[in-house]
Amino acid sequence: QVQLQESGPGLVKPSQTLSLTCTVSGGSISSENYYWSWIRQHPGKGLEWIGYIYYSGSTYYNPSLKSRVTISVDTSKNQLSLKLRSVTAADTAAYYCARGNYYDSSGNFRAPPAYWGQGILVTVSS
Amino acid sequence: EIVLTQSPEFQSVTPKKKVTITCRASQSIGSSLHWYQQKPDQSPKLLIKYASQSISGVPSRFSGSGSGTDFTLTINSLEAEDAATYYCHQSDSGWTFGQGTKVEIK
Repeated sequence: QVQLQESGPGLVKPSQTLSLTCTVSGGSISSENYYWSWIRQHPGKGLEWIGYIYYSGSTYYNPSLKSRVTISVDTSKNQLSLKLRSVTAADTAAYYCARGNYYDSSGNFRAPPAYWGQGILVTVSS
Repeated sequence: EIVLTQSPEFQSVTPKKKVTITCRASQSIGSSLHWYQQKPDQSPKLLIKYASQSISGVPSRFSGSGSGTDFTLTINSLEAEDAATYYCHQSDSGWTFGQGTKVEIK
């Protein structure tokens, strides 16, 4: 059973870069069967897609965050990473990494993520 | 950006009753609509994919329907453990989520 675990600083200063890591266990992050995503949730609010990355390395970002976001994979460490630059208080949120099937058993392309990490709360404050 | 609007935003329901949550998309998304359940301090759990496809391990009382712009999540015979917030999610053009529907057990 795959497990995803987010890690990183819980407090980031305004204008700095938020850097998070998602460590994957129970499966290979370089498998062509999956794609990997980051989603965040502002306190007490709904879910917001940040972006995802395919095994090929292709990335797709939420247009509202695209200019500040980089998602990458470190296959040697079996980790997914997120970098969000120039953060403000509006970036305070719980950040989740998640895995979806590139093609699921029904042949659906990029099926919605079924496996999520527990999430990590990041507060942006001086 | 495709906007998803859920209704109602809150429901208080007696156990064993049926719950219906609707999700309306601002433009047609075919069947690229999925449903998640999130309990307090937990990550979202996938309940239904592509409008009506079931997920292994999810109780059969959860079902979905719809296509185009109008979708429904139905919980037949509500159980206490179903107290949660439910989100719809579209993957037709980028990804967006509905604002959530909180279901409380009376």
